[in-house]
Amino acid sequence: AQKITQTQPGMFVQEKEAVTLDCTYDTSDPSYGLFWYKQPSSGEMIFLIYQGSYDQQNATEGRYSLNFQKARKSANLVISASQLGDSAMYFCAMREGNNAGNMLTFGGGTRLMVKP
Amino acid sequence: EAQVTQNPRYLITVTGKKLTVTCSQNMNHEYMSWYRQDPGLGLRQIYYSMNVEVTDKGDVPEGYKVSRKEKRNFPLILESPSPNQTSLYFCASARQGNIQYFGAGTRLSVL
Repeated sequence: AQKITQTQPGMFVQEKEAVTLDCTYDTSDPSYGLFWYKQPSSGEMIFLIYQGSYDQQNATEGRYSLNFQKARKSANLVISASQLGDSAMYFCAMREGNNAGNMLTFGGGTRLMVKP
Repeated sequence: EAQVTQNPRYLITVTGKKLTVTCSQNMNHEYMSWYRQDPGLGLRQIYYSMNVEVTDKGDVPEGYKVSRKEKRNFPLILESPSPNQTSLYFCASARQGNIQYFGAGTRLSVL
């Protein structure tokens, strides 16, 4: 079974509007971390936001927020006031438990395209 | 500036010719890792290192070697590259249990 599922291969959003990128995860470990990364066309992986499984509040970083619904096992990324520079691939990732290897399991990604 | 630096950014080579991709971080992170990214397969971990002289296999270690002689450096070695190792490679570093920061990536083509 997929541990991280991103069901939207591609999405369009109008500039200045908000957009939600979906991510669901599967783990039986009570301790885990959820991450979002952005990969622009230049190829680098840019860390955006982190949510720990025990965090009481949803994480926010500037225009990025994470809609964490633990019971549903979802960790959707919300980008407010989209900008043209937000056009990129977005990856959701999870680190499980006391994973000594710190290994991240990545979803398949969502390609976001911002329309002017 | 805190960063993870990979070199080279682009490399074209031929089957069997040994190569090394270097990775260096200036954040004094204990943990470093190598991933490869392939279409349809996402990112997969190759090797990781918890600290100096401590390395371990990830999901797809075959055909790769690593070493961690110094805290800041974690080179990836392909002793005898093959075409199925054509990929986009990322080095990452982190404090233990913390956020991983990635390098800019190395695009490798093995002919």
